Amino acid sequence: NAGVTQTPKFQVLKTGQSMTLQCAQDMNHNSMYWYRQDPGMGLRLIYYSASEGTTDKGEVPNGYNVSRLNKREFSLRLESAAPSQTSVYFCASIRTPTSSGANVLTFGAGSRLTVL
Amino acid sequence: KQEVTQIPAALSVPEGENLVLNCSFTDSAIYNLQWFRQDPGKGLTSLLLIQSSQREQTSGRLNASLDKSSGRSTLYIAASQPGDSATYLCAVRAYNFNKFYFGSGTKLNVKP
Repeated sequence: NAGVTQTPKFQVLKTGQSMTLQCAQDMNHNSMYWYRQDPGMGLRLIYYSASEGTTDKGEVPNGYNVSRLNKREFSLRLESAAPSQTSVYFCASIRTPTSSGANVLTFGAGSRLTVL
Repeated sequence: KQEVTQIPAALSVPEGENLVLNCSFTDSAIYNLQWFRQDPGKGLTSLLLIQSSQREQTSGRLNASLDKSSGRSTLYIAASQPGDSATYLCAVRAYNFNKFYFGSGTKLNVKP
């Protein structure tokens, strides 16, 4: 199993450009998340999707949009990139808990974005 | 709002030493707690998950404990090795299932 796959791994943008980070999971997970990780700031939630067809804002949603394309895919879009969006972006997914047991939050390898 | 704290922020130990990493949280109403490892430039890898009804979980040289009433979890690493060098993060899952709250991590360096 591939788990959680993120593309691209690296991207350099100029201020004002737009781009979309792609995330796909093959574990039949219901919930998907986008985080950013910055030195000294830890992991911060940008947006999440509790199930197919729903999305909700996290701590730092400004400047981002998301699309839950289907159960497998959850994309993050920067409409007009700013230097403050230079960061490492992580996608994660998890199955909605059931009485049958625990569920592990699974992360992708990350996408390193630099905005000049 | 749930706050998760990990102390110390960094730790350096000689190889072979047993060590304990700490994670504290302010709201004891959690669904579970998960410990992760992150290597430089990589994603987070799950190490152990403890349900709120459990007291501890073990995997190889790793043992994680949970004391919900005091808002604390510890990750015990036995006989540390240089390959254990990484940043270790804990995360609590809220009962509404949708939110995870992460600590900022402990950066561990195991010296040969």
